[in-house]
Amino acid sequence: EVQLVESGGGLVQPGGSLRLSCAASGFTVSGDYMTWVRQAPGKGLEWVSVIYSDGSGGRTYYADSVKGRFTISRDNSKNTLYLQMNDVRTEDTAVYYCARARYSVTGFDYWGQGTLVTVSS
Amino acid sequence: SYVLTQPPSVSVAPGQTARITCGGNNIGSEGVHWYQQKPGQAPVLVVYDDSDRPSGIPERFSGSNSGNTATLTISWVEAGDEADYYCQLWDSSGDHPVVFGGGTTLTVL
Repeated sequence: EVQLVESGGGLVQPGGSLRLSCAASGFTVSGDYMTWVRQAPGKGLEWVSVIYSDGSGGRTYYADSVKGRFTISRDNSKNTLYLQMNDVRTEDTAVYYCARARYSVTGFDYWGQGTLVTVSS
Repeated sequence: SYVLTQPPSVSVAPGQTARITCGGNNIGSEGVHWYQQKPGQAPVLVVYDDSDRPSGIPERFSGSNSGNTATLTISWVEAGDEADYYCQLWDSSGDHPVVFGGGTTLTVL
């Protein structure tokens, strides 16, 4: 059974750092497209970052709002996806979801339950 | 980067048909995916690649895509269909490959 479990959210001060984790089971993160999507309170879904499968070169991409501050990565040995968040801002406050797509044509078919990040002093 | 435009809200009576649109430049040449999100829950994929349904999604959910508009159609709407719906596609042309629409709130009257 495919499952994604996020962790690492919490309260962080502006300018601080946080690392989110997304533990996967039932598939291998290196073989699929893995993404982070966030949702600010009362707002819509906002794409944050994506890492392509190893077969597609493992390329990484970022939304302009987080580029240079956030880093997506994965640990194949732990089958876990990460999002390192540095220099966080109040506008980064959101629920962060990880999700996977087998291929770009299939959409994101599995999502985690989300982890809340609150940036506040 | 690519922009997807959705109406903020759609209202429909139970048993009727809801149509939620997603506009984009020549979107008909792209594969569009649709997600349903209920309050406090993670999004759920309900239609992928324009018109295919994942396992477990009722046949009442269907999709189409042509020209500059993709459409999610929900037939025989039920109270339980009340949710936010988002379209999404992969844009291979630039550095922002994952694009979501702004979302549409479906209200069942």
